[in-house]
Amino acid sequence: KQEVTQIPAALSVPEGENLVLNCSFTDSAIYNLQWFRQDPGKGLTSLLLIQSSQREQTSGRLNASLDKSSGRSTLYIAASQPGDSATYLCAVPNSGYALNFGKGTSLLVTP
Amino acid sequence: EAGVAQSPRYKIIEKRQSVAFWCNPISGHATLYWYQQILGQGPKLLIQFQNNGVVDDSQLPKDRFSAERLKGVDSTLKIQPAKLEDSAVYLCASSHYVGRTRSDTQYFGPGTRLTVL
Repeated sequence: KQEVTQIPAALSVPEGENLVLNCSFTDSAIYNLQWFRQDPGKGLTSLLLIQSSQREQTSGRLNASLDKSSGRSTLYIAASQPGDSATYLCAVPNSGYALNFGKGTSLLVTP
Repeated sequence: EAGVAQSPRYKIIEKRQSVAFWCNPISGHATLYWYQQILGQGPKLLIQFQNNGVVDDSQLPKDRFSAERLKGVDSTLKIQPAKLEDSAVYLCASSHYVGRTRSDTQYFGPGTRLTVL
């Protein structure tokens, strides 16, 4: 059974810092890996999807990497802003494409 | 393109009562998912539909939870009777079906927050 773990559980940084969120998974036979953002009281917004054949994906100040062999992914956020404050979730699909999620990293960026 | 719609947004009920949630996926999305997210946890799959057929309901507590997707579009998730531990956010998601060799991005609705007293 696929287990997804995210470290740290919570993170507080001052505005402008670069930061890294970590995600690990136990079964390396994955189709892809997704990073989501969740704001309080809101649904999930997909940030980046990395296919199993890719090593990384970039969108604006976000960069996600994938190392299937070691079962790890990182989400790098450059020049953090208070608007980046949210919970970040990583997820990998099972054989039927439903997602297995980690518990998330709660990020607070202070002005 | 309109997103995934869910209603109601909030619901408060007493234990042992019943409740139903509604989801309208993005037009043309064949796959629909219901997830349960308990506070402080990541979402957990309850049931997955492909058109109007069930693909995976292995984690659905079938003694109290039921779901249907009539005509392969809208879906309803029901809980009867509710327990205190059912307090959670219920998320609906949809995606294109692109075949067995590749999966596609899932788009999530805003969720329904259920409180069972």
